[in-house]
Amino acid sequence: AQKVTQAQTEISVVEKEDVTLDCVYETRDTTYYLFWYKQPPSGELVFLIRRNSFDEQNEISGRYSWNFQKSTSSFNFTITASQVVDSAVYFCALSEEAEGDKIIFGKGTRLHILP
Amino acid sequence: DTGVSQNPRHKITKRGQNVTFRCDPISEHNRLYWYRQTLGQGPEFLTYFQNEAQLEKSRLLSDRFSAERPKGSFSTLEIQRTEQGDSAMYLCASSLGTGSPHEQYFGPGTRLTVT
Repeated sequence: AQKVTQAQTEISVVEKEDVTLDCVYETRDTTYYLFWYKQPPSGELVFLIRRNSFDEQNEISGRYSWNFQKSTSSFNFTITASQVVDSAVYFCALSEEAEGDKIIFGKGTRLHILP
Repeated sequence: DTGVSQNPRHKITKRGQNVTFRCDPISEHNRLYWYRQTLGQGPEFLTYFQNEAQLEKSRLLSDRFSAERPKGSFSTLEIQRTEQGDSAMYLCASSLGTGSPHEQYFGPGTRLTVT
């Protein structure tokens, strides 16, 4: 069965600090896709990244970076030099090829960036 | 604005009443998804459409729930005989739907409160 675990319920850091959000997933499928979404206080989910199971290269986009490790079934998300605007709930999610487009979300990590 | 739109944004209803929500996807997207999100949880998949065909329904979608996408454009989600447990945010998303899962773009949601 597919499952996504975000063990950190809530994190608070001071602005300009780096912060890593953890994500561990479970799947029996060999082909799957991992996602991160951001949900700011306004409530609308914002797509951040999608990776497929065959691409373990880390990715960097500005202050955001993602570390995908199949050996530990993890897909962690790091924000460098955090800013107050990064305050939001962040969701890690998984989609298995066998399950079509259905996305299974974790419970989310609420990130507070303190000025 | 060419994003996903949802109406109404908020709905308060009395237990036992029927409610209907509407979702307008991004125009060129042929897949449309419905999710439900309760407080402190990630979105839970309900159902999705490829054009006008409903391809999958979650077990969460009881007989009181019905979704349609009659012309492959906008979609409606109806809840009959609402219960207090139906109180949640109902999210709609759309994507380009061929091959591997594409990123889903979410609307602002409809918050339902059943009193």
